[in-house]
Amino acid sequence: EAQVTQNPRYLITVTGKKLTVTCSQNMNHEYMSWYRQDPGLGLRQIYYSMNVEVTDKGDVPEGYKVSRKEKRNFPLILESPSPNQTSLYFCASSRTSFLYNEQFFGPGTRLTVL
Amino acid sequence: KNEVEQSPQNLTAQEGEFITINCSYSVGISALHWLQQHPGGGIVSLFMLSSGKKKHGRLIATINIQEKHSSLHITASHPRDSAVYICAVRGSQGNLIFGKGTKLSVKP
Repeated sequence: EAQVTQNPRYLITVTGKKLTVTCSQNMNHEYMSWYRQDPGLGLRQIYYSMNVEVTDKGDVPEGYKVSRKEKRNFPLILESPSPNQTSLYFCASSRTSFLYNEQFFGPGTRLTVL
Repeated sequence: KNEVEQSPQNLTAQEGEFITINCSYSVGISALHWLQQHPGGGIVSLFMLSSGKKKHGRLIATINIQEKHSSLHITASHPRDSAVYICAVRGSQGNLIFGKGTKLSVKP
């Protein structure tokens, strides 16, 4: 089944404790992206990747890191999480540019930073 | 001013009604996306369109590039259409920018 998976789905952590949210797709998509969703602000793009070893900042990259060492995986790293990073996070992938192609979204990761 | 504006923010309809959700944008674009977010949180892509009109079942999306406006129509609405509908366009920095969404509730 074609899908985008994220892990964990729920995470409660404390300020400053490094964490990684994994994202994997099995559709051989070139494009992958991370978004956060907050009440009243909607979805905002954090980082995106057009292909292996190519990543670019979105609207709100501060406090986040990403890597794209393999085509299928695009982990989101929070080196020192803070409470303002409490949010619902979505990973997405598309065949080529997400600007011109359907995006497939993961199920979301609900992160709480205390 | 937000680059992508949706209206209305909230919409309540009776089952069977024809529904229209609007999206206006201020940046020049070559494509616009409509997404649906289910009450459980999952997001699915409904349409990607760059001109004219697209139809999928009871959903119709239109876009007017000159007026920088797109509409999503739902014919014969059903309670299972209850969701948040989100439009998104390419922003001036080349990334994807989303509207804040329209929360639709269809009552039986």
